[in-house]
Amino acid sequence: DTAVSQTPKYLVTQMGNDKSIKCEQNLGHDTMYWYKQDSKKFLKIMFSYNNKELIINETVPNRFSPKSPDKAHLNLHINSLELGDSAVYFCASSQGEGHIDSYNEQFFGPGTRLTVL
Amino acid sequence: RKEVEQDPGPFNVPEGATVAFNCTYSNSASQSFFWYRQDCRKEPKLLMSVYSSGNEDGRFTAQLNRASQYISLLIRDSKLSDSATYLCVYPGDADKLIFGTGTRLQVFP
Repeated sequence: DTAVSQTPKYLVTQMGNDKSIKCEQNLGHDTMYWYKQDSKKFLKIMFSYNNKELIINETVPNRFSPKSPDKAHLNLHINSLELGDSAVYFCASSQGEGHIDSYNEQFFGPGTRLTVL
Repeated sequence: RKEVEQDPGPFNVPEGATVAFNCTYSNSASQSFFWYRQDCRKEPKLLMSVYSSGNEDGRFTAQLNRASQYISLLIRDSKLSDSATYLCVYPGDADKLIFGTGTRLQVFP
C-alpha cells in the first residue's frame, strides 16, 4: 500500500509549457506539503495545506499554483516552465495542524523528477 | 548564515567503523530536531528524533548541544546499507521542515 503517491515520476518538457504534478495520500493526514529539491540536493518547503486551506506559501513564483480538492490530494500546477524549475518535487503529508510545539512526522512521496529543456 | 549547516562529505568509511556527523543551527528557539535519511534518488525518511537528553536507537545515537547549537549523529558498526545522505532537520512555523543540505555517507566493504 502506497502511503503518499505522486504522478508522474518523471516529467520532461519544453520551456514555456504548463504542467501539473499530482499527489495523493491514504494516511488520513490533515496536512500536505510540496518541497523542491534542486540540483545541489537542497530540500526546501514550497507550500503546505491543512484541510484544504493554504497554510504556508514560501517565496515561490506565482507560476506555481497548488490546488487541494480534498485533504487527501494536493496537486501542483506550474505555468510557463523555466529551465530553473528543473528539480525533484516531493509531496509530503503529516497529521500536524500547524502548531510548532507539536511536531508530527512527515511522510514523503517518491518524488517527481522534472526536467525542463 | 544558513539556518542549518552540514558538512556535505562524502564520508567514506569501511564496514564496521564508527562515524559521526555534526549539524549546526542558527535558530536558538528551536525545540525539536530530527535526522532524516535519504537514499540515492529516493524520498527522505525519518531516521530519529533528537531530544535534549539524547536519543539512542540500536547503532544510532543522536545528541543535542544547545549551548553550542549543534546536533550530532553517531553511527556505530557501519553497514553497507547505511550508505545514504543524512539530513539534519528542525521544524519551523506551521510544521514546515527546515532541512540542512545533508551529509553523504559511503560505507565500503
